[in-house]
Amino acid sequence: EVQLVESGGGLVQPGRSLRLSCAASGFTFDDYAMHWVRQAPGKGLEWVSGISWNSGSTGYADSVKGRFTISRDNAKNSLYLQMNSLRAEDTALYYCAKDLYSVPAAILVYWGQGTLVTVSS
Amino acid sequence: EIVLTQSPATLSLSPGERATLSCRASQSVSSYLAWYQQKPGQAPRLLIYDASNRATGIPARFSGSGSGTDFTLTISSLEPEDFAVYYCQQRFFGPGTKVDIK
Repeated sequence: EVQLVESGGGLVQPGRSLRLSCAASGFTFDDYAMHWVRQAPGKGLEWVSGISWNSGSTGYADSVKGRFTISRDNAKNSLYLQMNSLRAEDTALYYCAKDLYSVPAAILVYWGQGTLVTVSS
Repeated sequence: EIVLTQSPATLSLSPGERATLSCRASQSVSSYLAWYQQKPGQAPRLLIYDASNRATGIPARFSGSGSGTDFTLTISSLEPEDFAVYYCQQRFFGPGTKVDIK
């Protein structure tokens, strides 16, 4: 059974940093691209970032480009999102999601339950 | 960046009725479009990818069509569990259509 478990969320002040993690199990992690998607309270879904199976290709939404960095450790079956210079508008539930393919096509077949990030002073 | 618009914003229907949801892209996305269902308090679920391919385990009452800039998700006969928010996506997501009970 595919499982994606996010962690690392919490309350953080504007301008500070946070690192999210996603622990994957139930599939061959290094065969698939992975993504982060967020959802602000009461709002729609926003694709944040994606990474290919071998970290050779990454992509970011304009809203986070230059502030967020996606990475993965295939030996640890883990996906990460380093979030710097956080803003109030980054407040959201952050989902980790598995792609259908090894390249980031953003066909999101499996999702975790999310970790909540709140940016507030 | 491709912008997706969805219509209507809300669709009020009764169980057993047919639901037709639309998604329009600001430029051609070929057939690279997916549909997701999200219920309150739950993560989204992939329904359709590449415009018309049902994801594993998705009932046959869900179907997708379209190419280029105009796409449709059809639910042939609404079941009680189908009342939810539906998003189209081509990397970036549309704003969603809420299907609620009339």
